[in-house]
Amino acid sequence: EPEVTQTPSHQVTQMGQEVILRCVPISNHLYFYWYRQILGQKVEFLVSFYNNEISEKSEIFDDQFSVERPDGSNFTLKIRSTKLEDSAMYFCASSPDRNQPQHFGDGTRLSIL
Amino acid sequence: RKEVEQDPGPFNVPEGATVAFNCTYSNSASQSFFWYRQDCRKEPKLLMSVYSSGNEDGRFTAQLNRASQYISLLIRDSKLSDSATYLCVVNMEYGNKLVFGAGTILRVKS
Repeated sequence: EPEVTQTPSHQVTQMGQEVILRCVPISNHLYFYWYRQILGQKVEFLVSFYNNEISEKSEIFDDQFSVERPDGSNFTLKIRSTKLEDSAMYFCASSPDRNQPQHFGDGTRLSIL
Repeated sequence: RKEVEQDPGPFNVPEGATVAFNCTYSNSASQSFFWYRQDCRKEPKLLMSVYSSGNEDGRFTAQLNRASQYISLLIRDSKLSDSATYLCVVNMEYGNKLVFGAGTILRVKS
């Protein structure tokens, strides 16, 4: 069964540094998403992406965050200057259209020191 | 009022038991509904979509009541492997983002 893949599985970074989290969505999917889950809390929406542009973003997704689809397969989330509170599990998801179920990658655990 | 609300549990049940989870959502214009399960420190995995007519997948039955803005999940003949957190998830009308409940913890014991 096709799946969403994410790299790295764990990223440890000093506060203030830039990080890039990578995702390869399922190949025939058109909608891409990033979510995050702080330890012990619920999964929170960050951003959705369709047709090479952001279609929706949450309040969490401020100017420090950006997304990009640099080629036909990768979908990246960049955090420009990380803060301690960015420590969380980051999940990428994709779906064939906006009302179909979203399929999640196994996540990147981001630890900010 | 929270956008998606669930009883956090935990529900501790013996193997073979039937257990039911409930969920309410605040936005009456919500379009699509799902149950996901999440194992400890893992990604959410789709369990099933939820339709107004109700739907069943093996031991799992999901129901949606749009008038009451209420979603349910019934698990029959619980297995040890059903132990997980069950997430009620709603796709809001105004966008294509999923809104997650905080989850209900299920522990099935032998």
